[in-house]
Amino acid sequence: ETGVTQSPTHLIKTRGQQVTLRCSSQSGHNTVSWYQQALGQGPQFIFQYYREEENGRGNFPPRFSGLQFPNYSSELNVNALELDDSALYLCASSTDRGAMNTEAFFGQGTRLTVV
Amino acid sequence: GNSVTQMEGPVTLSEEAFLTINCTYTATGYPSLFWYVQYPGEGLQLLLKATKADDKGSNKGFEATYRKETTSFHLEKGSVQVSDSAVYFCALKNNYGQNFVFGPGTRLSVLP
Repeated sequence: ETGVTQSPTHLIKTRGQQVTLRCSSQSGHNTVSWYQQALGQGPQFIFQYYREEENGRGNFPPRFSGLQFPNYSSELNVNALELDDSALYLCASSTDRGAMNTEAFFGQGTRLTVV
Repeated sequence: GNSVTQMEGPVTLSEEAFLTINCTYTATGYPSLFWYVQYPGEGLQLLLKATKADDKGSNKGFEATYRKETTSFHLEKGSVQVSDSAVYFCALKNNYGQNFVFGPGTRLSVLP
């Protein structure tokens, strides 16, 4: 059983650019959630995808968008990057649309730095 | 709204000391409660969980009891090791949403 893998592990972008982060979910998991973790803070929910459809969204602007593919892997896209977008981006996979009692398995994250 | 509050860190202990990290929450309904741990350079790993009042979650010597009357889920360990040095996050999930709500995290450093 493979775990959750994210790519790239680190990247540096310039303000105003666009970025795509990738996540391969754990085998058998059909639900992927994305979180933003600013330095020294807890993760904040961005959105969730279940079977290729967005299934909930946190308080993030529309320039944060995503996709889920038929194999349940996922992408997070951020347009018009701002300095405050610098953070660790975490992908979490689970089953059952992340039901209340269900744990999630997190990837190691992508560290994005916007300069 | 839903929120989680944790004791501020960093917490520095000597090896074999007793650990308590306080966590309290505000939520609609009756949430499930979780403790996740983040080791340096890694993602989050589930440490333990409890899904209803008075449940005790336990794992690797860590314990936490779901206290509905005090809306708390404090993490404890009787004897910490250097390898327990990490950031600990308390989190909730309720049946009105599919996402976790995390606290700010508490950094623990254990000295030999």
